[in-house]
Formats: sequence, structure tokens, C-alpha cells
Amino acid sequence: AQSVTQLGSHVSVSEGALVLLRCNYSSSVPPYLFWYVQYPNQGLQLLLKYTTGATLVKGINGFEAEFKKSETSFHLTKPSAHMSDAAEYFCAMRSYIPTFGRGTSLIVHP
Amino acid sequence: GAGVSQSPRYKVAKRGQDVALRCDPISGHVSLFWYQQALGQGPEFLTYFQNEAQLDKSGLPSDRFFAERPEGSVSTLKIQRTQQEDSAVYLCASSAGTGHGWDNSPLHFGNGTRLTVT
Repeated sequence: AQSVTQLGSHVSVSEGALVLLRCNYSSSVPPYLFWYVQYPNQGLQLLLKYTTGATLVKGINGFEAEFKKSETSFHLTKPSAHMSDAAEYFCAMRSYIPTFGRGTSLIVHP
Repeated sequence: GAGVSQSPRYKVAKRGQDVALRCDPISGHVSLFWYQQALGQGPEFLTYFQNEAQLDKSGLPSDRFFAERPEGSVSTLKIQRTQQEDSAVYLCASSAGTGHGWDNSPLHFGNGTRLTVT
């Protein structure tokens, strides 16, 4: 079965600190992987996607993610958190129908 | 260009009422998805259209839920005899790709309709 697991429903960091949001997937074939961000009362916006080729993917707002097949992971990182990064982040997979993780709420402290 | 538009943004229904939620996708997008998002959860797949054809409705929770896209553009999600457990945000998304199988096109989401059943 295809599934996406996000470890940690909440991640709290200080402004300027490293952001790491974890995502692991389960798929019988190599999937396409995405990270989306959702601000309150809004829909989801694409941050970045991995299809094939380079395993380190850069997205908008300084975020990047690395596809590691051996670890079935696609963790999202940002070197320095900003207050405006506070939002809900969803990892998603497309191998049949788009499947989303449960989300991780990023809290940024001043 | 315009993004995905959903209406109404908020809907309050009394238990037992029927509701209709509208989605206007990005012009030219072939694929259209409906998702249900409960509070504090990720989006859960409901149904998928490729143009006017409903190719997958495996996520619809009961036969009270019905979706259509008769002309391959605007879609309506209808919920009959609403129940309290139907309270959620209903998200519509469209994409330029064919949708099924090996499609790496990202989804473009609307802002959702928040349904509250009292």
C-alpha cells in the first residue's frame, strides 16, 4: 500500500534556527514526492517536488528536500527559520492518486 | 491567471440538510480532485475526474456523497442528508496532467469550503 508518514505533528524552532521536517514514504515503485505548505484558512501551495534526476531539490522560500531511496525519506529543511515560515507542512506522494501525510505544524519562536 | 476557486468559503448546515460545494478549476486543467480535510489532519482523497469522466470515487465515505463535472470544467460536490461527521474542510485541486498513474504534475488547490454541520 502507498503511504506517507510525517514524524512529529509539531516542530518548534527559534527564529534563525535550522528547520527539519521529516517525511517517509512507502511505495512499491519509485514515487513522485512533493512538499506543500498551508497557511491558516488557505489551500495548499507547492513548495517543491522530486520526480527524477538530482536528489536534492530546491524550492521556494529557501526550502529544500533530499530524496533518499535507501531510507525511503524526503525530509524538508531550511537553514534559517523566519517567523513567516510558521504554517502547516504536508508531504505528498504521487504513485497512483495523490496521497498526503498528516501534516507537521511548524512553530517559530522569536 | 486565476487560480482554483471554491464557493462558498463557509457553509453551516443543519443535520439532515443537503449541501452543494462548487469548484472552478484552472482553465484547461484536465484533472480535478476533491479532498476532505478534518481538523488537524492531512487531506484525504475523495474522488478524481479526468475531464468529465469520474475515474475514481473510492474515497467517497458513503453514498450520501456525490460529485460531478458535467462539462469537464466546473465541479460540484454534493452531500445529502448531512451528518455531524461530515464537518470538515473540503478542498478542490486541479492539475494539468492526466492525473492517474505516473503523473508528476503538482496539484493547485483552492482555499477550500469549511462545512460545519450542527
